[in-house]
Amino acid sequence: DSGVTQTPKHLITATGQRVTLRCSPRSGDLSVYWYQQSLDQGLQFLIQYYNGEERAKGNILERFSAQQFPDLHSELNLSSLELGDSALYFCASTLLSGGTDTQYFGPGTRLTVL
Amino acid sequence: SQELEQSPQSLIVQEGKNLTINCTSSKTLYGLYWYKQKYGEGLIFLMMLQKGGEEKSHEKITAKLDEKKQQSSLHITASQPSHAGTYLCGADRGGADGLTFGKGTHLIIQP
Repeated sequence: DSGVTQTPKHLITATGQRVTLRCSPRSGDLSVYWYQQSLDQGLQFLIQYYNGEERAKGNILERFSAQQFPDLHSELNLSSLELGDSALYFCASTLLSGGTDTQYFGPGTRLTVL
Repeated sequence: SQELEQSPQSLIVQEGKNLTINCTSSKTLYGLYWYKQKYGEGLIFLMMLQKGGEEKSHEKITAKLDEKKQQSSLHITASQPSHAGTYLCGADRGGADGLTFGKGTHLIIQP
């Protein structure tokens, strides 16, 4: 158990809909990273938050957005969903921002768009 | 081409045999992470390597980082069924961005 929790575990929805994925980092960690894993693209970095502020953006679509709340949990919002958005979404947390801390991953949310 | 190339893409090994997985970066590495993933599950952290020539071991798994070659290898000794899964290497590029991952090596252990 990494200490990172994600809800829900599974999500099935229809095209055009909007969903919210939730992540709680390990106790004491200030930074949250979001990743998307699909069969064709592999595991790709989406966005990072540190202590409530956006720190870095990767391959995140404009239809996607995220935020980190004062209690440090983070939410990833996916809107106008398309079939191609079906994937596993992971969050990871680290104590600080930057590359020297080990990223511990949550169990993921499997999103299926029908 | 991929920033991080893993080889082989898949590997079938008889239980008890040794094996090596490689990860080669096309860009400078500031850190190299190895994770293991069971199908559809989260990533389990194995090891992080930061310095050239660094070598770390965890149980029967050893990883090395060759900074000059921008390459890392993961070696499993006397493989067991519990080693089966997908091994992913992730590169730290030195900024605040998340890790860049390879496509993974799918390992099957045959009894």
